[in-house]
Amino acid sequence: EPEVTQTPSHQVTQMGQEVILRCVPISNHLYFYWYRQILGQKVEFLVSFYNNEISEKSEIFDDQFSVERPDGSNFTLKIRSTKLEDSAMYFCARRGPTGELFFGEGSRLTVL
Amino acid sequence: LAKTTQPISMDSYEGQEVNITCSHNNIATNDYITWYQQFPSQGPRFIIQGYKTKVTNEVASLFIPADRKSSTLSLPRVSLSDTAVYYCLVGSQAPGGSYIPTFGRGTSLIVHP
Repeated sequence: EPEVTQTPSHQVTQMGQEVILRCVPISNHLYFYWYRQILGQKVEFLVSFYNNEISEKSEIFDDQFSVERPDGSNFTLKIRSTKLEDSAMYFCARRGPTGELFFGEGSRLTVL
Repeated sequence: LAKTTQPISMDSYEGQEVNITCSHNNIATNDYITWYQQFPSQGPRFIIQGYKTKVTNEVASLFIPADRKSSTLSLPRVSLSDTAVYYCLVGSQAPGGSYIPTFGRGTSLIVHP
């Protein structure tokens, strides 16, 4: 059973549309990460989120990306205006006590 | 952040033991060594983590020499379902600080019948 549940499993959208990807932890944790993986490429760090605030973010995480935890449980990644190059698998992960990550099953985003 | 080096690919056969070695020459005192497994279209899955000597769980063993400049993931009696990419990561969470686990290319293991 995954540590976090991600929805949707697959989303197809038109370029320029907004997309919201959701991550629901199985239990109450404070430290989360979003990563993405473009087909055939490395798993890339996007952003880390601790205690309802962004802790670190990468160069990829520009103004079109945002994260929030609106209700204290669900953890969302929003892409405001999708581009073709945003097509990727997006993974949410929660962090364990010694830095190990426990990933969800991912959300596949396809931008047409 | 300690840089890691591991083979790009490895081949093995069902029933064999597979050892994947990762070099991390500039590992820091507080760094842990963590290995992940990834199947296509799935997220990386935590396999094992260690700090020194040997760690064993139901999936694998991790061997870490005294100088900690390398580590070896050992998969006993692999099966076809062990075909995956294996990542070695090194790092730590400093008190009050941040930690960004960074994935490299990993080692693509192919297990043949």
